[in-house]
Amino acid sequence: NAGVTQTPKFRVLKTGQSMTLLCAQDMNHEYMYWYRQDPGMGLRLIHYSVGEGTTAKGEVPDGYNVSRLKKQNFLLGLESAAPSQTSVYFCASIAQGAGANVLTFGAGSRLTVL
Amino acid sequence: DAKTTQPPSMDCAEGRAANLPCNHSTISGNEYVYWYRQIHSQGPQYIIHGLKNNETNEMASLIITEDRKSSTLILPHATLRDTAVYYCIVRVSGAGSYQLTFGKGTKLSVIP
Repeated sequence: NAGVTQTPKFRVLKTGQSMTLLCAQDMNHEYMYWYRQDPGMGLRLIHYSVGEGTTAKGEVPDGYNVSRLKKQNFLLGLESAAPSQTSVYFCASIAQGAGANVLTFGAGSRLTVL
Repeated sequence: DAKTTQPPSMDCAEGRAANLPCNHSTISGNEYVYWYRQIHSQGPQYIIHGLKNNETNEMASLIITEDRKSSTLILPHATLRDTAVYYCIVRVSGAGSYQLTFGKGTKLSVIP
């Protein structure tokens, strides 16, 4: 049981390049999230998904796209990377349903845009 | 989900209890209080949660006031490894609770 796995862990891009971050969870969770964290800042929600085939915008969605074609995977894409997107990206997932559910995070993906 | 307010930073002597406060004055009756922490640049880690009653697990204790407008996370014997940013969030139970918002949290420094 790996929990939430993010790939890649590190990536360096040049301005204008594109890339995709992959988040995979093996807990059969319905909800998945992408956050970014800049130095000294808290986590800011980029996009989230409440189920396969559905996505929604969070607090800071501009410059990013997402897809949830399979329940276990949530992809975050940067079509044209900008230096302002240099950040650490965290994926998380949580089960749906009544009662308390614990949000499980991945280890993070550190992205640098030159 | 209700918003939370936490102090930006706190210090605690090693071996002492660390008491981290959180205000959530707009919390509604079906919202749980969750605590997470983030050590250095790792992914946030779940600590504890509660609805009304005080809770305790192997990591910490959670004290929720009777009116549920504030709570305190207690690390009974803080160690250097407890140095981290601690986040308090509230979340509605059940379906329909979509966005989960983290603030800047409280940076706890445990001092030798």
